[in-house]
Amino acid sequence: EPEVTQTPSHQVTQMGQEVILRCVPISNHLYFYWYRQILGQKVEFLVSFYNNEISEKSEIFDDQFSVERPDGSNFTLKIRSTKLEDSAMYFCASSEDRGGGQPQHFGDGTRLSIL
Amino acid sequence: RKEVEQDPGPFNVPEGATVAFNCTYSNSASQSFFWYRQDCRKEPKLLMSVYSSGNEDGRFTAQLNRASQYISLLIRDSKLSDSATYLCVAPYGNNRLAFGKGNQVVVIP
Repeated sequence: EPEVTQTPSHQVTQMGQEVILRCVPISNHLYFYWYRQILGQKVEFLVSFYNNEISEKSEIFDDQFSVERPDGSNFTLKIRSTKLEDSAMYFCASSEDRGGGQPQHFGDGTRLSIL
Repeated sequence: RKEVEQDPGPFNVPEGATVAFNCTYSNSASQSFFWYRQDCRKEPKLLMSVYSSGNEDGRFTAQLNRASQYISLLIRDSKLSDSATYLCVAPYGNNRLAFGKGNQVVVIP
C-alpha cells in the first residue's frame, strides 16, 4: 500500500535555529498538508498546499513557517528561528482530491525537539 | 462550541466486550467524517469514513446523526490490539481536518 514518508524521524535543534522537515506524499495525490501534535494535545492543522501554492493556513502558520514543493516528489516545511514551543510531532498528509469526502493519509511524523 | 469534541476517557474495556463512544461537531455543513486510530506517539491511521447515516467494517460500526450533530463509534468483541486512541475527525474550511482530542480505549485481558 502506498505510504507518505517523512524524514527525519527525530530532529533535535537549538532554539533559534532553522529546521526543514521533509515529506514524500503518495505519488498520485495532489493535495498536501502539514499538521502538528504537541505532546498530550490534539492534532492541529497548519497548512494545506495545492498546485504549488498554499490553499489554506491556520493561525499557527505565521511568518516563521513556510512550505515548498522543490521538485516533483518532496514537500517541505521550514521553521525559521525555532522556539521552545515548536517542540511537537509534525505530520505530513496527502489526499487524492480536496473536499470533505476525501480522507487524508498521514506519514509517520517527525518528532521535533527544541532545546 | 469546539469544532470537534470528544470525551477522552480512558475507556477501560474487558476483552471481548463492546465499547461505544460519541463525538460532536459544530459545522452543520460537513458532509463526511472520519474515525482515525492513533497508537501512542504514532501517526493517525484511517479507520473508517462516514459519509451517510453510517458505516460498518467488521467489528467496527460508525453512525452519523446529522440532526444532533454527533458521530458514534462502536467496537464489538474488543481485542487487546484495539487498545489505542480513537480520533473523531471532521472537515472544515477548504480542505483541512479538525481533530477531536480522542477517546482512549484500554482493553483489559
